[in-house]
Amino acid sequence: KQEVTQIPAALSVPEGENLVLNCSFTDSAIYNLQWFRQDPGKGLTSLLLIQSSQREQTSGRLNASLDKSSGRSTLYIAASQPGDSATYLCAVPNTGFQKLVFGTGTRLLVSP
Amino acid sequence: DAGVTQSPTHLIKTRGQHVTLRCSPISGHKSVSWYQQVLGQGPQFIFQYYEKEERGRGNFPDRFSARQFPNYSSELNVNALLLGDSALYLCASSHRTGNTEAFFGQGTRLTVV
Repeated sequence: KQEVTQIPAALSVPEGENLVLNCSFTDSAIYNLQWFRQDPGKGLTSLLLIQSSQREQTSGRLNASLDKSSGRSTLYIAASQPGDSATYLCAVPNTGFQKLVFGTGTRLLVSP
Repeated sequence: DAGVTQSPTHLIKTRGQHVTLRCSPISGHKSVSWYQQVLGQGPQFIFQYYEKEERGRGNFPDRFSARQFPNYSSELNVNALLLGDSALYLCASSHRTGNTEAFFGQGTRLTVV
């Protein structure tokens, strides 16, 4: 059974810092990994999708890496801004692609 | 193009009542999935539908049911509501099943009193 863990559960940083969010998964036989952003009480916004054949994916100030063999992914946010404050979730599909298995998220607060 | 749309955005129901939540996927997407998210947790899978057929079901009681219509929109129905059903219900659409990106709606906040 696939399990996804995100560390830390919460993170508070001053504006301008570079930061790293971590995601680990127990079954390395994944096809892809997706990072999402969620604002309080809102839905999920897809940030990046990394295929299993890729090592990195970049979008603006965001860079996600994937290491299947170690069961880990990291989301790097460069030059953080107060508008980046949100909960960040990672998810992987189960073997049959019926569902996404989510971590519990990292709640990020960027202070001006 | 419109994203995934869900209705209503909020609703309050009384224990024992029934509720219907609706979802319209992104145009061209044929797969719709439903998730329940309680405060402080990641979303939990409820159902997946593809081409109007149920393709997956999560660990939820039979009070939960869903269907997908010919236009690929979907409904989630919950009967005999319990206080514990209070949550954010999320709908996700994707072009197909398999190795593809999922896009989520803004969610329906259900409060059971």
